[in-house]
Amino acid sequence: KAGVTQTPRYLIKTRGQQVTLSCSPISGHRSVSWYQQTPGQGLQFLFEYFSETQRNKGNFPGRFSGRQFSNSRSEMNVSTLELGDSALYLCASQREGFYEQYFGPGTRLTVT
Amino acid sequence: GDSVTQMEGPVTLSEEAFLTINCTYTATGYPSLFWYVQYPGEGLQLLLKATKADDKGSNKGFEATYRKETTSFHLEKGSVQVSDSAVYFCALSRITQGGSEKLVFGKGTKLTVNP
Repeated sequence: KAGVTQTPRYLIKTRGQQVTLSCSPISGHRSVSWYQQTPGQGLQFLFEYFSETQRNKGNFPGRFSGRQFSNSRSEMNVSTLELGDSALYLCASQREGFYEQYFGPGTRLTVT
Repeated sequence: GDSVTQMEGPVTLSEEAFLTINCTYTATGYPSLFWYVQYPGEGLQLLLKATKADDKGSNKGFEATYRKETTSFHLEKGSVQVSDSAVYFCALSRITQGGSEKLVFGKGTKLTVNP
């Protein structure tokens, strides 16, 4: 069974631009969560989607948004990029009723 | 709120040494506990889990026991290998209202194993 895939793997953007990251979950997994990883703040929860609905949201500004499609694929968007948004963005999928979340390889975003 | 505290790294060991990485948590209710591992340039891999008190999770020679009385979930391995060099994260999750689960992570402990 294929794992969680994320595209693109690497991205360089300029301050003020916006960016969209994509995540395809493991087949049969309907929950998708997003996390931001930085050296200073560590791993922080962004949001979680299930059946195209946002079920939970972390403490991030409104510039961070996401959505989920009917095939469970998810995208996250960051608008008006700031230097501090440079991070590894990780997506994780989970099968309903099971405890484990499975992570993709991440998208490394660099904002210059 | 929920939080996870794990020992500061980095940790450097020789091959075949015994490994312990301490992890304690603060949470209401009965969280599930996990250890994840991250190799350079990669995402997180689930190493092991425990979902209730006194459960022992184990995988690839690593073990951790869910101790509710001490709110701990320490990771151990009897004999480490060079290939175990990575960053290890302790994490907890609880099912919130609405059925959502989110992982709360510790800061991570970098392990280097020398031959």
